[in-house]
Amino acid sequence: DAKTTQPNSMESNEEEPVHLPCNHSTISGTDYIHWYRQLPSQGPEYVIHGLTSNVNNRMASLAIAEDRKSSTLILHRATLRDAAVYYCILLAGGTSYGKLTFGQGTILTVHP
Amino acid sequence: DTAVSQTPKYLVTQMGNDKSIKCEQNLGHDTMYWYKQDSKKFLKIMFSYNNKELIINETVPNRFSPKSPDKAHLNLHINSLELGDSAVYFCASSQSRTGRDTQYFGPGTRLTVL
Repeated sequence: DAKTTQPNSMESNEEEPVHLPCNHSTISGTDYIHWYRQLPSQGPEYVIHGLTSNVNNRMASLAIAEDRKSSTLILHRATLRDAAVYYCILLAGGTSYGKLTFGQGTILTVHP
Repeated sequence: DTAVSQTPKYLVTQMGNDKSIKCEQNLGHDTMYWYKQDSKKFLKIMFSYNNKELIINETVPNRFSPKSPDKAHLNLHINSLELGDSAVYFCASSQSRTGRDTQYFGPGTRLTVL
């Protein structure tokens, strides 16, 4: 699976937007970009995924660069509950066996 | 309703013992996984089953043996436990195993080997 690069940590204030970047310069044409997060003492939780177009759901938005070599997870109004480790992961399209390869992720701290 | 459940939540045992962790999903998914999160918080896949068939085995010691009695269950049996097996083990499931499938994780089982 192609590798992703994320900042080790980021900080935000409550109710402000947060933009979490991810670089994936070796992405292939069929790789999906997935984001998961892990809250303290919990299992990972799916956030959002996309292939080429920007995506929105109730949790977040995913902005994908035109060349797909980078993407940004956007939390529109951070809450204290959004403090977590955020993982950007590439999954090959087709039958990829679903092997999520977690990196070190970005630790997001949200200040009241 | 809990989508992916694991039992037990905590497991403390002595070196050399044999233990099992159970996982059940009520989502009707075809694919299930076991992940291990070590003390440094790195999450790594161990096994994956699709329709009760083993499809991923990530160079895990033979002491670890997954068993899938049916599509809704994937249990993990560990023989001759070692100190290094102490970790949090997460079960997950997905509808299938394509690149666009979402994985749903259980709450984890914290295993401590003394």
